Amino acid sequence: EAGVTQFPSHSVIEKGQTVTLRCDPISGHDNLYWYRRVMGKEIKFLLHFVKESKQDESGMPNNRFLAERTGGTYSTLKVQPAELEDSGVYFCASSLTRGKGNTEAFFGQGTRLTVV
Amino acid sequence: GEDVEQSLFLSVREGDSSVINCTYTDSSSTYLYWYKQEPGAGLQLLTYIFSNMDMKQDQRLTVLLNKKDKHLSLRIADTQTGDSAIYFCAESVPGYSSASKIIFGSGTRLSIRP
Repeated sequence: EAGVTQFPSHSVIEKGQTVTLRCDPISGHDNLYWYRRVMGKEIKFLLHFVKESKQDESGMPNNRFLAERTGGTYSTLKVQPAELEDSGVYFCASSLTRGKGNTEAFFGQGTRLTVV
Repeated sequence: GEDVEQSLFLSVREGDSSVINCTYTDSSSTYLYWYKQEPGAGLQLLTYIFSNMDMKQDQRLTVLLNKKDKHLSLRIADTQTGDSAIYFCAESVPGYSSASKIIFGSGTRLSIRP
């Protein structure tokens, strides 16, 4: 069974450009999460989808970030326009709802974004 | 609030035990996790412990949980060069639905010296 896949694995863009990251969760997983790790700091929560609905987007840094999960399958995270401080590794994770508090999330390899 | 803290670096000699410590703040955490990230790889779930347990052992790994002090530790016995990685402590915090969100620490980089 395929795990969580993210595309691209690396992206280098200029400040002001737009980048779209994609995440394909494990088939059948209703929960999809986006996280970000910036400059060796902690992995920070960005947002959580349950199927196609945004359940919690409290970690989204600002309105330059837009996440979608049309149809409740794959998700995209668009950064427009990108700024230097957006550089980091963006992780996607998915899990299957199995009861309150039990979240075994499976992570993708991450997308390393570099804004120059 | 939600906060997980851990030291940034740990260096141990090959064959010794490694102990990585972590503190968390949210008393409503239900599960606590240790994730491992090897160079160039994604996050791998190493082990987890339910909040009503105080110890879990899995081969070379021992997880100790002190819920009163909100302190979690990971002990790796007989540390090998393949254990070199960044280890993330994380807690599962109940969210808006039955699925929780995971709050991570900054990661502890474990290096092994001969």
